[in-house]
This record gives sequence, C-alpha cells and structure tokens, in this order.
Amino acid sequence: DADVTQTPRNRITKTGKRIMLECSQTKGHDRMYWYRQDPGLGLRLIYYSFDVKDINKGEISDGYSVSRQAQAKFSLSLESAIPNQTALYFCATSDAVAAPQHFGDGTRLSIL
Amino acid sequence: AQSVAQPEDQVNVAEGNPLTVKCTYSVSGNPYLFWYVQYPNRGLQFLLKYITGDNLVKGSYGFEAEFNKSQTSFHLKKPSALVSDSALYFCAVRGSTSGTYKYIFGTGTRLKVLA
Repeated sequence: DADVTQTPRNRITKTGKRIMLECSQTKGHDRMYWYRQDPGLGLRLIYYSFDVKDINKGEISDGYSVSRQAQAKFSLSLESAIPNQTALYFCATSDAVAAPQHFGDGTRLSIL
Repeated sequence: AQSVAQPEDQVNVAEGNPLTVKCTYSVSGNPYLFWYVQYPNRGLQFLLKYITGDNLVKGSYGFEAEFNKSQTSFHLKKPSALVSDSALYFCAVRGSTSGTYKYIFGTGTRLKVLA
C-alpha cells in the first residue's frame, strides 16, 4: 500500500462547485503539504502544516482552504472552483527539519 | 527570497553517455538541497540531498550531485545514462534560518535518454 494516498486520482467538475481533495499517510510524519503542479511552473506550495494545530499559507493559497483532521489526514478544499485551478495537485509529508518529502501520486483536477 | 532555477527545460543525451541536469539556487543561510524525479502519472520521488559535509552527494539509481557554494549550484549527474532515466527532474531548496523553512521547487527539466 502507498505511504501517502490521495483521493480522488482524477476529478472533472464545473465552475462554482465545491471540491475536496483528501490526503492520508501511514508514515507517521507530522509535516504535511499541498502543492499544485502546472506545466512550466513546477510545484507551487498552497498550504502546509507542521502539526495538527499548525496551518500555514503557502505562496498561492487564495481560493483554497485546508483542514488537518488528524496527524495522518490533510484535506484541501476549493470553495468555488474556477477553470484556472485546473492542475495536478500533490500532497507530501516529511518528518524532520532537513528531511526529504514523500509525495502521493497526485489528483488530476479539471474544472470546466 | 528563496529561489531555484533550472535553466534547461529539456536535456537530451545518448544512452551510455554522462548526463548533467543543472540547478542554481538562492537562499539565506545554509541551504538544504534536494533532487527529485517524476515519472508519468506518479508523484515526485526523492533521489538525493545535500545538508552538510562532502560536496559530492551520492543518491539512488546511480545519480550524484555536486554542491558548489561559490557558484550556488547543485547539478545532478550520472556517469552513464539509461533509457529508463528518462523522466522529469526537479531541484528543490529549503533554508536553514527562520522564515526560510518552506521548500521551493524549480520548474523541472525533462531528461530524454536516446537509445
């Protein structure tokens, strides 16, 4: 089983809909992250959380919100989706200051 | 502000030849540097990291990277490329001082190894 699991893997929806992307991990890591990947732009950080009570905005948080329900779960919500939020979304975890991140396989989100 | 540059969108190399994928960075204080690889329909996979110590870092699948502080570079290398190395490669930097703890990723370099 994957250590970092993202659901759904693919989602097509319409403008204005509320969408939730979910991430769960079995690695026992405290730190969790949400990124979006766009061609030619690399990965950009949306939100990150260093523990259950700690939520921080990344570089592109507008239009997104997150919830850290437990150490193992970190959800990303789009309250009212718009077409320029069409992208590949990744959840990642890490366990220490200088540790590498472990990524899920992503959610491909298309907003029509 | 932290930043990472990967100046080449794509690198082509013949199988068996050495490969280099370039990365330069800017960060306050000492950098923590990482290389990741992404295969189609998969998340990023960690290859190697530099935190401190020897400037030449060895990682997975025969890859290595050289940290050069004066040139603020962390180029990824492999002595002999394989077709299976074809993928998208990302360099990332994280600072070691307060306010620089976020990971910043480069825009990625697509490596194509030709048989």
